[in-house]
Amino acid sequence: EDQVTQSPEALRLQEGESSSLNCSYTVSGLRGLFWYRQDPGKGPEFLFTLYSAGEEKEKERLKATLTKKESFLHITAPKPEDSATYLCAVQSVDSNYQLIWGAGTKLIIKP
Amino acid sequence: DAGVIQSPRHEVTEMGQEVTLRCKPISGHNSLFWYRQTMMRGLELLIYFNNNVPIDDSGMPEDRFSAKMPNASFSTLKIQPSEPRDSAVYFCASSLDGRSGYTFGSGTRLTVV
Repeated sequence: EDQVTQSPEALRLQEGESSSLNCSYTVSGLRGLFWYRQDPGKGPEFLFTLYSAGEEKEKERLKATLTKKESFLHITAPKPEDSATYLCAVQSVDSNYQLIWGAGTKLIIKP
Repeated sequence: DAGVIQSPRHEVTEMGQEVTLRCKPISGHNSLFWYRQTMMRGLELLIYFNNNVPIDDSGMPEDRFSAKMPNASFSTLKIQPSEPRDSAVYFCASSLDGRSGYTFGSGTRLTVV
């Protein structure tokens, strides 16, 4: 069964303290892995799509990496405005639209 | 671009009443999705439209739920009659195709009392 597991459920960091969020997935064949950010009271905001193992993408303080079993979202020197819930989703080669979502990691950056 | 526009932002209704949620996707996007989000179940896909045609409605929980997309710029999700367990945040999202990153609206927070 296709599955996505994110860890940890919540992460509290001091401003400037770098860390990583994990997204482990099980899928018959990966078409793409997506990272989204969700702020309270808003819809998820698209960050990255990764398609193959070894691929990396960066945006400001965020860098996403992908292996055959998991993806990491690395946050370098985070700021309080990076506080949000980060969602991971995968799309199987068996579907050209269905996403399997993780439960998310709630990130809190304290000033 | 104004992004995906949903209305209303909040809806409080009594059990048994009809509720209609509205969505305007991004112009040029041919895929539209309705999602429901709750603390217990996370994000759940309710229905997927491609070029205004419903492709997959297997996530629609019951016959009380229905969705339409009469044209490329408008979609509705209707619940009739509503029940307290329908309380959730309902999101509309669109994409260029089903494989690209989605753009979500700000959601409608529905409370059924």
